[in-house]
Order: sequence, then C-alpha cells, then structure tokens
Amino acid sequence: EPEVTQTPSHQVTQMGQEVILRCVPISNHLYFYWYRQILGQKVEFLVSFYNNEISEKSEIFDDQFSVERPDGSNFTLKIRSTKLEDSAMYFCASSRKTSGSADTQYFGPGTRLTVL
Amino acid sequence: SQQGEEDPQALSIQEGENATMNCSYKTSINNLQWYRQNSGRGLVHLILIRSNEREKHSGRLRVTLDTSKKSSSLLITASRAADTASYFCATDPGGYQKVTFGTGTKLQVIP
Repeated sequence: EPEVTQTPSHQVTQMGQEVILRCVPISNHLYFYWYRQILGQKVEFLVSFYNNEISEKSEIFDDQFSVERPDGSNFTLKIRSTKLEDSAMYFCASSRKTSGSADTQYFGPGTRLTVL
Repeated sequence: SQQGEEDPQALSIQEGENATMNCSYKTSINNLQWYRQNSGRGLVHLILIRSNEREKHSGRLRVTLDTSKKSSSLLITASRAADTASYFCATDPGGYQKVTFGTGTKLQVIP
C-alpha cells in the first residue's frame, strides 16, 4: 500500500541554523500538508499546498517557514532560523484531488526536530 | 469543548481487558481517523471511518461513528502491554481543509 515517507526521522540542529524537512507524498496525490506536534501537545496544522501555492496556513506558519515542491516527488518544509521552540515532531500529509469531492489525508511517520 | 476531544485523558487497565476511548467533535466531517503514538515517536494509522459508515473492524480494533452525536469510539479488545500508547482521533472535514487532532487518550496496559 502506498504511503507517505519522511526524512530524516530525527534531525538535531543548533539554534539559528536552517533546516529542511523532506517528505515524499503518495505519488498520485496533489494536495500536501505539514503539521507539527510539540512534545506532550496536540498535533497542529501548519500549512496546506496545492498547485505550487500555499492554500491555507495557520498563525504558527510565520515568515521563518516556507514550503516547496522542488521536483515531482518531494515536498519540503524549510525553517530558516530555528528557535528552541521549534523543537517538535513534524508530520507531512497528502491527499488526492478528486472531481468535486474531498479525499482523505494520509500522514507520514514524522520527523523529530530537536533544536539545541 | 474543542473539535476532536478524547476521553478519558488517561486509562489504565490490566492486560486482557478491553479498552474504550471516546472522541467528540463539533463540525461536520468527511471521515475520522484513529492514530496510535508511542511516546516521542511518530503516528501510526489505525483505522479510518467515513461519515457514511457506522462501524469498522480491524483485528482487535473496533471503531464506531455516530454522526448525529458527533462522536466516535475506539475499542481495543484483549489488550496487550504493547498497546500502551497515546491514541488520537483526527477529524477530516474534507474539501482539502486541515485535519484536526484531538488531545489524545494515554492508555497504559499493565502486564
């Protein structure tokens, strides 16, 4: 069964450094998402992306964050200058586009980001 | 209450017993999913139930959905120590809108 994959599974970085988290969505999916979960808290929506544009973003998704689909298979989340409070699990998700109806979001296993 | 609230927040049972977790939500949904998460680890997808379904089974898991009450339950039968984890419901409104996760139920199964 096709699945969303994410790399790396764990990323450790120094405060102020840039990080790029990578996701490979399911191959025929056209909608992509990033979510975040700070340790012990709920999973929170960050951003959705379709047709090379951000569709929706939360108040968490400020100017230090950006998303990109650099090629036909990857979807990335870049954090420009990491802060301690960016330490969290980051989940990627994707869904198909179906004519006129919604489809399910499928989640990847997550990347644990630790900012020191 | 918030969209996707689970209860109880924590549940401790003996191995072999059944565990029931509930999820309530506020807005209409396209589907509802249940996930398991071991401490500090990623999400493991357990089961998805669509809004036009009332019950689904997968191995020792049974999920029910009552859209009139905006609630779902996850039943784990014959629990095992390895079932110890946090369990989250996630509501998907469809239309490519964001999925909302609940606060989770922390299940402890005592051997």
